[in-house]
Amino acid sequence: QSVLTQPPSASGTPGQRVTISCSGSSSNIGSNTVNWYQQLPGTAPKLLIYSNNQRPSGVPDRFSGSKSGTSASLAISGLQSEDEADYYCAAWDDSLNGQVFGGGTKLTVL
Amino acid sequence: EVQLVESGGGLVQPGGSLRLSCAASGFTFSSYSMNWVRQAPGKGLEWVSYISSSSSTIYYADSVKGRFTISRDNAKNSLYLQMNSLRDEDTAVYYCARENYGGNSYYFDYWGQGTLVTVSS
Repeated sequence: QSVLTQPPSASGTPGQRVTISCSGSSSNIGSNTVNWYQQLPGTAPKLLIYSNNQRPSGVPDRFSGSKSGTSASLAISGLQSEDEADYYCAAWDDSLNGQVFGGGTKLTVL
Repeated sequence: EVQLVESGGGLVQPGGSLRLSCAASGFTFSSYSMNWVRQAPGKGLEWVSYISSSSSTIYYADSVKGRFTISRDNAKNSLYLQMNSLRDEDTAVYYCARENYGGNSYYFDYWGQGTLVTVSS
């Protein structure tokens, strides 16, 4: 059972916009920033979004993040086949004194 | 180019020990905090441990506290994870990850390729 809650799966067709939610509590998302990681099949995770809505250089602007209260969302617009991956949200938890991750969302491009 | 290369994984019996290493290059290792994150087969990511740049601050997940020890050698640009009293549930790919700071946020901006630890009799 992960501290942050994500839907286990999401899907969309090429060109569509999809969103992935991440729900937490006052000790993590409610008081700290949220980061998102993308894990392509068989590879290590890669930083996708940091500080709720900032994209590292090289990440397409099709990817965007937002946060409100104790929840966060990742949006992917103009869905492409290469976006098929697992997506994880993460945040520092003040009560646990550690990073907590969501359980991950497997995105399928139909 | 930033590179993180883990090593030391393998098959170990329950109750046994293993020491993982992470060799860093392409950046000033002594300036960055580092973390270990693991992923059990077919499962999600789980943060394991954190160590500050000077080793002055260390944190562990409750699941490994008292059994695992994180350390670093800045002179050798290396991060370590000593794992004792291993359990079946410690079976996972272990990643080392560099922690960076920006936009009022701490995040893992570079990850190694991972090393597989299998605990089984």
